Amino acid sequence: GENVEQHPSTLSVQEGDSAVIKCTYSDSASNYFPWYKQELGKRPQLIIDIRSNVGEKKDQRIAVTLNKTAKHFSLHITETQPEDSAVYFCAATDSWGKFQFGAGTQVVVTP
Amino acid sequence: GAVVSQHPSWVICKSGTSVKIECRSLDFQATTMFWYRQFPKQSLMLMATSNEGSKATYEQGVEKDKFLINHASLTLSTLTVTSAHPEDSSFYICSAQGQMNTEAFFGQGTRLTVV
Repeated sequence: GENVEQHPSTLSVQEGDSAVIKCTYSDSASNYFPWYKQELGKRPQLIIDIRSNVGEKKDQRIAVTLNKTAKHFSLHITETQPEDSAVYFCAATDSWGKFQFGAGTQVVVTP
Repeated sequence: GAVVSQHPSWVICKSGTSVKIECRSLDFQATTMFWYRQFPKQSLMLMATSNEGSKATYEQGVEKDKFLINHASLTLSTLTVTSAHPEDSSFYICSAQGQMNTEAFFGQGTRLTVV
């Protein structure tokens, strides 16, 4: 089955700087890669997703890049703000459409 | 986005009893629902995948006789933790998906404490 690895596990950035989280996956048939943000005590919320036929997608301060050949994808957050502090999970769907999540990255944005 | 409601939000039960958790998609038909377990400060561990009208598919290491999953309709899936033990205490969260390889929407989760 699919195996998703996510790095780093924690990321501390100064407000205004950029944050980058990287994930790799194992199933070459995976074709949907969502990113979820989970604030403490709340449910995960989708922030951006990308499909395998696209190399990059951007939504305001958030962007995701996908390299299918290398089987890795990354989340980029620019101009970070304190409200960006949360745990971020990447995921990949395997051949059966099951979501497999990465281990998560705790992002802390310091003022 | 679509709304997924999970009930109860928290439950405390005695060892040996069973607990049922419901996951409902309120404004869309969920062909697939996923059940996860999340330990503090850890990732979402997929327990099982359920498709409406068919048996759930369990991940390796998850006891299907202990974690009973029913997906009787396109808007409701239930997870029953049978003969609960303290080690089953955890945060259980469901997600629902309308079509394959599209966004999955999460319920608010259920904090289960077995005493």
